[in-house]
Amino acid sequence: QVQLVESGGGMVQVGKSLTLSCAASGFRFTRYGIHWVRQAPGKGLEWVAMIWYDGSNKYYSDSVKGRFTMSRDNSKNMAHLQMNSLRAEDTAVYFCARGVDTNYGMDVWGQGTTVTVSS
Amino acid sequence: DIQMTQSPSSVSASVGDRVTITCRASQDINIWLAWYQQKPGKVPEPLIYAASTLQSGVSSRFSGSGSGTDFTLTIRGLQPEDFATYYCQQGNSYPLTFGGGTKVEMK
Repeated sequence: QVQLVESGGGMVQVGKSLTLSCAASGFRFTRYGIHWVRQAPGKGLEWVAMIWYDGSNKYYSDSVKGRFTMSRDNSKNMAHLQMNSLRAEDTAVYFCARGVDTNYGMDVWGQGTTVTVSS
Repeated sequence: DIQMTQSPSSVSASVGDRVTITCRASQDINIWLAWYQQKPGKVPEPLIYAASTLQSGVSSRFSGSGSGTDFTLTIRGLQPEDFATYYCQQGNSYPLTFGGGTKVEMK
């Protein structure tokens, strides 16, 4: 079945780095862009980043630009989010989600992975 | 960046009620608006894209309308499983942005 599975979350200190991964299965990965969306404890959804189906374009929210980097490996049906210079406010559940086109939203979401940044 | 403002932030309703949630964009986003439902501790579920098109498998109790800057999500005949938080999201331009959410609570 169509599925996205995140991994790589955990507890890390302020200023350190962490890489999240998103493994896709059950669909043609190369047809979809991949987004990362996060949700801080008790808060709403915040879009973080997106990479095009072929990796040629990437977009980031202002809050993570310059610190986070998205990549993808289409041969392995994987997407990654490299997070550097982590801050306490990056603490959240991180979801990966697919989107066939920017205009049409995200139609499949993973279960999420939790990132906790402590001082 | 495009700001998305939802109202109300919460609404109390009963089973069978009709509930309407509004989402306003800070600039014209054409029809590029999506709606999601999220229950506590669960993954967001996509409901609607392109303002009014239901995602596959979504109940016809849900409907969306609007274009430009003003959009609505309507739930007709509220069911127990519809008590949740609803988010709008603009897909017109990057950075993508979500509304703050509307919690539909049991009266």
